[in-house]
Amino acid sequence: QKEVEQNSGPLSVPEGAIASLNCTYSDRVSQSFFWYRQYSGKSPELIMSIYSNGDKEDGRFTAQLNKASQYVSLLIRDSQPSDSATYLCAVKGTGRRALTFGSGTRLQVQP
Amino acid sequence: DTGVSQDPRHKITKRGQNVTFRCDPISEHNRLYWYRQTLGQGPEFLTYFQNEAQLEKSRLLSDRFSAERPKGSFSTLEIQRTEQGDSAMYLCASSSFTSGLGYNSPLHFGNGTRLTVT
Repeated sequence: QKEVEQNSGPLSVPEGAIASLNCTYSDRVSQSFFWYRQYSGKSPELIMSIYSNGDKEDGRFTAQLNKASQYVSLLIRDSQPSDSATYLCAVKGTGRRALTFGSGTRLQVQP
Repeated sequence: DTGVSQDPRHKITKRGQNVTFRCDPISEHNRLYWYRQTLGQGPEFLTYFQNEAQLEKSRLLSDRFSAERPKGSFSTLEIQRTEQGDSAMYLCASSSFTSGLGYNSPLHFGNGTRLTVT
């Protein structure tokens, strides 16, 4: 079992729709969770961080964390073509100093 | 805040040659990470520095790889006797311990060095 799992996609949504990206992790006592956006050929860019159960909203983005289910998600409201990118879920596990990344979900927003 | 800077952006080398990459972290960040990313995969952790001390190395970091961070500022990653399997994007990231989040602080990535071994 991979430490951080994501569906590779592509996830295709029409412009203006809500895109829902999901991530599961294996370390039950992981402490912090991050979503990064990566455009093709570019480096990862931090979008959201979440540390406690529940929802955290920032503009069009909402991160949701459920530690009991070992599940973290990212919702993008009013999706735009410029949101088309790969979204990486990253987790800091117990006793780790570095983040562990999933393989990413490719999002395509159709105009 | 000028961000994390990496040099070079691209490197093409022949198998068996040595290569060295440089990373300049955000100035107030005392933590520095190297990751490697191949096509279709997420970044994979290679090594971590806190100030000048290399505190963690991944099993991915074979003895052909060495990293340094003299004086706790910039860092270099050297690959000796390169192999075609070393072709990847090498990403440097930094974070600050003083943010109050400790090891839960987010990482800030540089633009990466893309290595192609022919």
